[in-house]
Amino acid sequence: EPEVTQTPSHQVTQMGQEVILRCVPISNHLYFYWYRQILGQKVEFLVSFYNNEISEKSEIFDDQFSVERPDGSNFTLKIRSTKLEDSAMYFCASRTAMTNEKLFFGSGTQLSVL
Amino acid sequence: GDSVTQMEGPVTLSEEAFLTINCTYTATGYPSLFWYVQYPGEGLQLLLKATKADDKGSNKGFEATYRKETTSFHLEKGSVQVSDSAVYFCALSQAAGNKLTFGGGTRVLVKP
Repeated sequence: EPEVTQTPSHQVTQMGQEVILRCVPISNHLYFYWYRQILGQKVEFLVSFYNNEISEKSEIFDDQFSVERPDGSNFTLKIRSTKLEDSAMYFCASRTAMTNEKLFFGSGTQLSVL
Repeated sequence: GDSVTQMEGPVTLSEEAFLTINCTYTATGYPSLFWYVQYPGEGLQLLLKATKADDKGSNKGFEATYRKETTSFHLEKGSVQVSDSAVYFCALSQAAGNKLTFGGGTRVLVKP
């Protein structure tokens, strides 16, 4: 089965630093998502992306966050100035058409902000 | 807003035991309901889904029935295997393609 690939699997950064989390969605997918899970808490929706623009974002996704599909294959999440509370597992997901509700998730990037 | 509540784990079972993971939801209208599974070191995978009341989703021996009257979508398997050890997430979405709202996840450990 095709896979969503996320890199790196673990990322350690200092508070205030910028981080970019990378994802390669499945090649024919059109809708892209970021979710995160803080340790011990629920998986939370961050943002959805379609046709090179954000289609929906949560309250968590403030001005410190941005997403980009720079080259037609990668999908990135940037956190401009990381905070301790950004420490979490970040999951990328993708799907084909809107009527297909199956979401394919990557294995996640564990971000630790020190 | 919408929310999903599922039983906390970990749930520890012996092989061939019966598994139930409770899931209830709060939502307006008629959301679609899902169970996702996360095996160690992997991403979340769709296990099964149901899109309307009384629908039963099933896959790999797991079943869940969409109960509108009790706002529940409990996951069951009659005889678990060691390979079923994973974290199970209940989730809902309000429309096709819309964001998923997840429960907290339930870790299941099946011992031989």
